Amino acid sequence: KAGVTQTPRYLIKTRGQQVTLSCSPISGHRSVSWYQQTPGQGLQFLFEYFSETQRNKGNFPGRFSGRQFSNSRSEMNVSTLELGDSALYLCASSFAAGGGTDTQYFGPGTRLTVL
Amino acid sequence: AQSVTQPDIHITVSEGASLELRCNYSYGATPYLFWYVQSPGQGLQLLLKYFSGDTLVQGIKGFEAEFKRSQSSFNLRKPSVHWSDAAEYFCAVASGGGSYIPTFGRGTSLIVHP
Repeated sequence: KAGVTQTPRYLIKTRGQQVTLSCSPISGHRSVSWYQQTPGQGLQFLFEYFSETQRNKGNFPGRFSGRQFSNSRSEMNVSTLELGDSALYLCASSFAAGGGTDTQYFGPGTRLTVL
Repeated sequence: AQSVTQPDIHITVSEGASLELRCNYSYGATPYLFWYVQSPGQGLQLLLKYFSGDTLVQGIKGFEAEFKRSQSSFNLRKPSVHWSDAAEYFCAVASGGGSYIPTFGRGTSLIVHP
């Protein structure tokens, strides 16, 4: 069974631009969660989608948004990029919602650099 | 608010030695507790998790963790470390009840000497 895939793996943008990251979950998984990992703030939860609905949301500004499609693939969008948005963005999928009760499988991440 | 503290930023052990990584959490009710490992350039992999029941949890790769409510701790242990265990280890806590928003510790970097 293929793992979680994230595209692109690396991305360089400039301040003020917007970016869209993509995540394809493991086949059969309906929950997708997104995380931001930075040296300064560590790992932080962004949001979780299940069956195309956002179930949980972390403490991030509205510039960070996401969506999930009917095939469970998910995208996250960051608008008006800031230097502080430079990070590794991780996607995780699980079969059930509420990742705490079901094992989450992580993708390798997308490394975003904002110049 | 829930929080997680991993007091050790780096730990160095010799191959074959035992390992204990510390994790302390702050949460009002019984939390969901997790340990993840992250190798360079990789995403996170779940080692083990605790929700309820037996306080000694067995995980993958020979790891185990013990939940101690009185100490608010969930330390990770391994009796004999292999060079391939060198990685970053993260402890996390989450609330239950369907509102799953995990909080991660800052991580402990494990260095294994031959």
